[in-house]
Amino acid sequence: DAGVIQSPRHEVTEMGQEVTLRCKPISGHNSLFWYRQTMMRGLELLIYFNNNVPIDDSGMPEDRFSAKMPNASFSTLKIQPSEPRDSAVYFCASSFSATGEGPQHFGDGTRLSIL
Amino acid sequence: GENVEQHPSTLSVQEGDSAVIKCTYSDSASNYFPWYKQELGKGPQLIIDIRSNVGEKKDQRIAVTLNKTAKHFSLHITETQPEDSAVYFCAAAGGSYIPTFGRGTSLIVHP
Repeated sequence: DAGVIQSPRHEVTEMGQEVTLRCKPISGHNSLFWYRQTMMRGLELLIYFNNNVPIDDSGMPEDRFSAKMPNASFSTLKIQPSEPRDSAVYFCASSFSATGEGPQHFGDGTRLSIL
Repeated sequence: GENVEQHPSTLSVQEGDSAVIKCTYSDSASNYFPWYKQELGKGPQLIIDIRSNVGEKKDQRIAVTLNKTAKHFSLHITETQPEDSAVYFCAAAGGSYIPTFGRGTSLIVHP
């Protein structure tokens, strides 16, 4: 079975550039999560969708970050403009649970480096 | 909101020894407690979970215990092997839609 698919796996870009991270959740899952992982802050939840609708975006650091889920099989996380402090590993996860009270299946992440 | 504390941050054991990782949570409404294993360059993968109507759950060398009164839960790995070396995360969910993760424990198993 195909798991959660994220692209790209690695992204290196200069500050000020727009960055778009992509995620394909597991088919049939109705919840999707975007996380950011750093040594300093650990695993932080950025935003959570249920049935393609954003439920809670309180973890999004600032207006430079935006996320969309146009359909059940695709989501994007966009940073514009990017800054060096955005460097981190970004994970997408999906779940069949509508309330977050079920297993999450993570992709292998996008390692983002902003120079 | 929920607050999850995880200890220790690093755990070093000899192959064959047992390893125990502990987590506490703050929201008494939390009722789902998963554990994830993250290997280098990979995303976290669920290894075991427990719900609040159960006190203990086992899966081969892995077990999780839950004490709802004290609001703490633990991961136990017996007969550790080098391939158990990874970062382990606990999480708590149920008080809100948002699962809250601990900061992680780096487990090192020495051959």
